Amino acid sequence: GAVVSQHPSWVICKSGTSVKIECRSLDFQATTMFWYRQFPKQSLMLMATSNEGSKATYEQGVEKDKFLINHASLTLSTLTVTSAHPEDSSFYICSASKTATEAFFGQGTRLTVV
Amino acid sequence: KQEVTQIPAALSVPEGENLVLNCSFTDSAIYNLQWFRQDPGKGLTSLLLIQSSQREQTSGRLNASLDKSSGRSTLYIAASQPGDSATYLCAVMANDYKLSFGAGTTVTVRA
Repeated sequence: GAVVSQHPSWVICKSGTSVKIECRSLDFQATTMFWYRQFPKQSLMLMATSNEGSKATYEQGVEKDKFLINHASLTLSTLTVTSAHPEDSSFYICSASKTATEAFFGQGTRLTVV
Repeated sequence: KQEVTQIPAALSVPEGENLVLNCSFTDSAIYNLQWFRQDPGKGLTSLLLIQSSQREQTSGRLNASLDKSSGRSTLYIAASQPGDSATYLCAVMANDYKLSFGAGTTVTVRA
């Protein structure tokens, strides 16, 4: 158990459009999900913490109006990159916690903005 | 702010050799430490999780040690195989359950 599915695995979009990425916990309920961003050859940087039924908590420097997070159910969190620009091109990964202590990661989404 | 450092950044060894990957962190007030594997363009696969009260964890050819007081962890991979080629990430979980990651060690095992 403890499978996290992320969709899509890759997406190419035009500059100025919005893109939605889904993160689902398939076999457990996750009250908390996390969204990370990873640039090439760099580490994962936490963007925000998503709590079911409440507003997301964003890390310092992350624009909440640009990266909209919704956690509508115990198994689904979505990240919407609004008005995407080429500098938003990156690898986005979500994780979900089965318990508070161990995180399970999705397979990631490669976003390319052209 | 927690800072996690992994040394070396890259490692290339012939098949069969043992691997030693190092991770250090600046704040010893951690909840646990995890080692992950990441293949190119893919997500993370959890390898080992060490609770803050533990000294080591083992799974097959993998062994991870934790010295919380000195802020260090080491991942040992015995008898490396080409399939072990990947990037290995160390992450520490703070008491607020947030993970801080190192930049990773990219391992190449030559056949």
